[in-house]
Amino acid sequence: DGGITQSPKYLFRKEGQNVTLSCEQNLNHDAMYWYRQDPGQGLRLIYYSQIVNDFQKGDIAEGYSVSREKKESFPLTVTSAQKNPTAFYLCASSTRQGGAEAFFGQGTRLTVV
Amino acid sequence: AQSVAQPEDQVNVAEGNPLTVKCTYSVSGNPYLFWYVQYPNRGLQFLLKYITGDNLVKGSYGFEAEFNKSQTSFHLKKPSALVSDSALYFCAVRDGDAGKSTFGDGTTLTVKP
Repeated sequence: DGGITQSPKYLFRKEGQNVTLSCEQNLNHDAMYWYRQDPGQGLRLIYYSQIVNDFQKGDIAEGYSVSREKKESFPLTVTSAQKNPTAFYLCASSTRQGGAEAFFGQGTRLTVV
Repeated sequence: AQSVAQPEDQVNVAEGNPLTVKCTYSVSGNPYLFWYVQYPNRGLQFLLKYITGDNLVKGSYGFEAEFNKSQTSFHLKKPSALVSDSALYFCAVRDGDAGKSTFGDGTTLTVKP
């Protein structure tokens, strides 16, 4: 069953800790994306990757880091430098064609406690 | 730079009535335009897209959208709304093969019985 899987669904973090959100896809897509969603603000792009071993900063990359060592995986680390990390995080993938739609995971809700 | 505007935070319609969710965009080249739907605490689901050709695009669940180049708009429409259409709708634009999409802030559609 093809798709994109994010884990965990809910994540709690203490202030000062780094946490890593998992994103795996078996759609054979080259491009992968991480978005942050806050109420009333839509989706904001954190990082994206067009190909393995390469990634670019999005609009709000500060306090986040990513890696793309495998085509299937694009983990996102929320570091202690991110001042307001509580949010809903969405991972997506697509082919590299401009007209290709994105496939989204079910999201991870991160809460700082 | 590319941008998307969804001028209405909320749209309310009665079941059985037609619905319209508005979207305007700005790109420097030829746009690729998308509509996605999000149900609570879930990822986004693709509804339809415009790449080229016919200005009226038909998508999933009876939705359609009309591309208007002169007005730089891509409004989402459905002839007869269902209560189950109630959700958060996002318009997105990609400027050619730039590699990343820009999303609007979303419009909450509420269909009342």
